[in-house]
Amino acid sequence: EPEVTQTPSHQVTQMGQEVILRCVPISNHLYFYWYRQILGQKVEFLVSFYNNEISEKSEIFDDQFSVERPDGSNFTLKIRSTKLEDSAMYFCASSEGQGAPEQYFGPGTRLTVT
Amino acid sequence: QKEVEQDPGPLSVPEGAIVSLNCTYSNSAFQYFMWYRQYSRKGPELLMYTYSSGNKEDGRFTAQVDKSSKYISLFIRDSQPSDSATYLCATPFSGGYNKLIFGAGTRLAVHP
Repeated sequence: EPEVTQTPSHQVTQMGQEVILRCVPISNHLYFYWYRQILGQKVEFLVSFYNNEISEKSEIFDDQFSVERPDGSNFTLKIRSTKLEDSAMYFCASSEGQGAPEQYFGPGTRLTVT
Repeated sequence: QKEVEQDPGPLSVPEGAIVSLNCTYSNSAFQYFMWYRQYSRKGPELLMYTYSSGNKEDGRFTAQVDKSSKYISLFIRDSQPSDSATYLCATPFSGGYNKLIFGAGTRLAVHP
């Protein structure tokens, strides 16, 4: 069964460093998303991406964040200068669109900023 | 007022019990309602979704939406220890392809 994959599973970085989180969405899906979940808190929307551009972003998704689909399969989230409060699980999701609203999530990347 | 509210639990039940998990939402424009299961430190796994009001059944799981009271439910029949997880309700903010708004999640423990 097709699934969303994410790498790495765990990333440790120092404050101020740049990180890139990688995702491979399900191959025939058209919509891509990033969410995050701080430990013990709700899953929060960060950004959605469709047709090679951002379709919506949350207040969390400030200038330190960017997304890219560098080729036909990968979808990346870059955090330019990490802060302690960026420590969280980051989930990539994708959906088929075309009348199918269900979003499928990857296993997540645990980001620890020290 | 929070858009999607969910009692975080924890809920502890014996194996074989019927479990009822619930959420309320505030915006009457919400149309799709999803249930995800999340094991500790894993990604949310889609269980099922419903459109508008009514019931949907999939094996031991039944999702129910009551739009008049803005109340959504997930019932698990014959619960198993493997059902122990956090259950998240979610709805797309508007339309089908938008950001999902999640509830806080209810932690369920099914003990043998």
